[in-house]
Amino acid sequence: QVQLQESGPGLVKPSETLSLTCNVSASSIGNDYFWSWIRQPPGRGLEWIGNVFQSGLTRYNPSLGSRVTISVDTSKNQISLRVTSVTAADTAVYFCARDDSLYYDNSAFGFDLWGQGTLVTVSS
Amino acid sequence: EVVLTQSPGTLSLSPGERATLSCRASHSLSSRYLVWYQQKPGQAPRLLIYGSSSRATGIPDRFSGSGSGTDFTLTISRLEPEDFALYYCQHYDTTPPMYTFGQGTKLEIK
Repeated sequence: QVQLQESGPGLVKPSETLSLTCNVSASSIGNDYFWSWIRQPPGRGLEWIGNVFQSGLTRYNPSLGSRVTISVDTSKNQISLRVTSVTAADTAVYFCARDDSLYYDNSAFGFDLWGQGTLVTVSS
Repeated sequence: EVVLTQSPGTLSLSPGERATLSCRASHSLSSRYLVWYQQKPGQAPRLLIYGSSSRATGIPDRFSGSGSGTDFTLTISRLEPEDFALYYCQHYDTTPPMYTFGQGTKLEIK
């Protein structure tokens, strides 16, 4: 049974870089799914940040501009997220999720497996 | 980029009642790419419906989805106590590839 677990600092100072890791257990990252990061500010809705394929191919939400980098390490079954120059607006619960959008005929075009999420607060 | 508007913001109903949640898009969408989630406090969202009307694995048949064009609906036929939660719709854009969520509907016990 595949499980996702996010980890990283819970507190980041303004203007610094937020770095998170998602460990994918019980399975290799493989070539049937993308892997996404999604965030949710406290008391608010969901925002897709971007995703990565096992090859390293990435897609990002244009609203976050060039501050975001998502990468994959298949040898460690890990997905990583970096957000530079953070502000209080980046305070959120960050989720990693399995992104089923590879095959038109058989994909859900949504997120069928999620980590529990990790709260990151941006504050001095 | 599509904008998804969910209504109502809050829906107050009793167990056993029927719930109808709406997701309206700013322009016509393919129903192939419309998804619904349920989120309970302190938990990650759970995928309920994909392709506008297909139930995900393990989702009870009291949950159903419908719609096309700009108007999509999630219906819960008979509310169980565990159904009171937040619900989000989501769309996948193919060009460029990206996801957009609605702002959510809170389903609360009356």
